[in-house]
Amino acid sequence: QKEVEQDPGPLSVPEGAIVSLNCTYSNSAFQYFMWYRQYSRKGPELLMYTYSSGNKEDGRFTAQVDKSSKYISLFIRDSQPSDSATYLCAMNSNSGYALNFGKGTSLLVTP
Amino acid sequence: EPEVTQTPSHQVTQMGQEVILRCVPISNHLYFYWYRQILGQKVEFLVSFYNNEISEKSEIFDDQFSVERPDGSNFTLKIRSTKLEDSAMYFCASSLDRVGVAYGYTFGSGTRLTVV
Repeated sequence: QKEVEQDPGPLSVPEGAIVSLNCTYSNSAFQYFMWYRQYSRKGPELLMYTYSSGNKEDGRFTAQVDKSSKYISLFIRDSQPSDSATYLCAMNSNSGYALNFGKGTSLLVTP
Repeated sequence: EPEVTQTPSHQVTQMGQEVILRCVPISNHLYFYWYRQILGQKVEFLVSFYNNEISEKSEIFDDQFSVERPDGSNFTLKIRSTKLEDSAMYFCASSLDRVGVAYGYTFGSGTRLTVV
């Protein structure tokens, strides 16, 4: 079983929609959970991070972590065409240096 | 806003040749990393570097790879004898703390390496 699984999409939504992006993982040692946004031919850019379980909100973005289900989510409210990008989940344990990435979900927000 | 700078943006090399990918991390960051992304696949960890030594490396990072921080500002990845399967986007990243949990990693825009 792969450590981090993420549906690659593509996901296409109309402008203003609520977007839900998800990842599942298998390693119960993961404690740090992050969402990165990657535009074409660019490096990943950190959007949100969460330590352990719970919710975190930042503007139109909400990150949720459910460690009991090994499931994390990113919600984007009032989606904009500028949100069109690939969204990567990433996670790590208390002891390692390496981020473990999902494959990324390609999101297209149409005007 | 501070940036991680990578050069070149694209490098084409012949199989068997040595390549050096260069990065200038953010100046006050302490942890440095190389990741790679083969087209259509996930971003994969190669190596982390802290306090002038490798702190962790993946199975991908074999004897053909090496890293160096020669002058306190640059951070390089050397591939001694490139193979076709080394073709990928290579990302340098840096962070203030381990894993970037306080402020996240900052990634560069990448070097696209094409081995022919």
